[in-house]
Amino acid sequence: EPEVTQTPSHQVTQMGQEVILRCVPISNHLYFYWYRQILGQKVEFLVSFYNNEISEKSEIFDDQFSVERPDGSNFTLKIRSTKLEDSAMYFCASSPFRGQYEQYFGPGTRLTVT
Amino acid sequence: QKEVEQDPGPLSVPEGAIVSLNCTYSNSAFQYFMWYRQYSRKGPELLMYTYSSGNKEDGRFTAQVDKSSKYISLFIRDSQPSDSATYLCAMDTGGFKTIFGAGTRLFVKA
Repeated sequence: EPEVTQTPSHQVTQMGQEVILRCVPISNHLYFYWYRQILGQKVEFLVSFYNNEISEKSEIFDDQFSVERPDGSNFTLKIRSTKLEDSAMYFCASSPFRGQYEQYFGPGTRLTVT
Repeated sequence: QKEVEQDPGPLSVPEGAIVSLNCTYSNSAFQYFMWYRQYSRKGPELLMYTYSSGNKEDGRFTAQVDKSSKYISLFIRDSQPSDSATYLCAMDTGGFKTIFGAGTRLFVKA
């Protein structure tokens, strides 16, 4: 069964460093998303992406964040200058058509900023 | 007032019980309502989604939406220890932004 994959599973970085989190969505999906989940808190929407551009972003997704689909398979989230409060699980999701209701999530990348 | 409210629990039930999980919401523009299951340190897994008011059944799971009361429910029949997880409600307006509830932790005791 097709699934969303994410790498790395765990990333440790120092405050101020740039990180890139990678995702491979399900191959025939068209819509891509990033979410984060701070430990013990709810899943929070960051950004949605379709047709090589951002469809919607939350207030969390400020100028230090960017997303890219560099080729036909990968979808990346870059955090330019990490802060301690960026420590969280980051989930990538994809869906096959317009509408949020059928999103498939990856296993997540745990980001630890020290 | 939060857009989506969900009691975090924990909720502990004996095996075989009927479980009722609920969320309320404040944004009347929400059109799509989803339930996800999340095991510890895993990504959310879509269980069910509904578009309109009413009931939708899938095996042991029933999703219920009451738009007039801004209230959604998930019922699990014949609960099993393997159902022990965190259940997340989620909803959106039909655009590109999904709002999640805080999740309810469920424990089903054998």
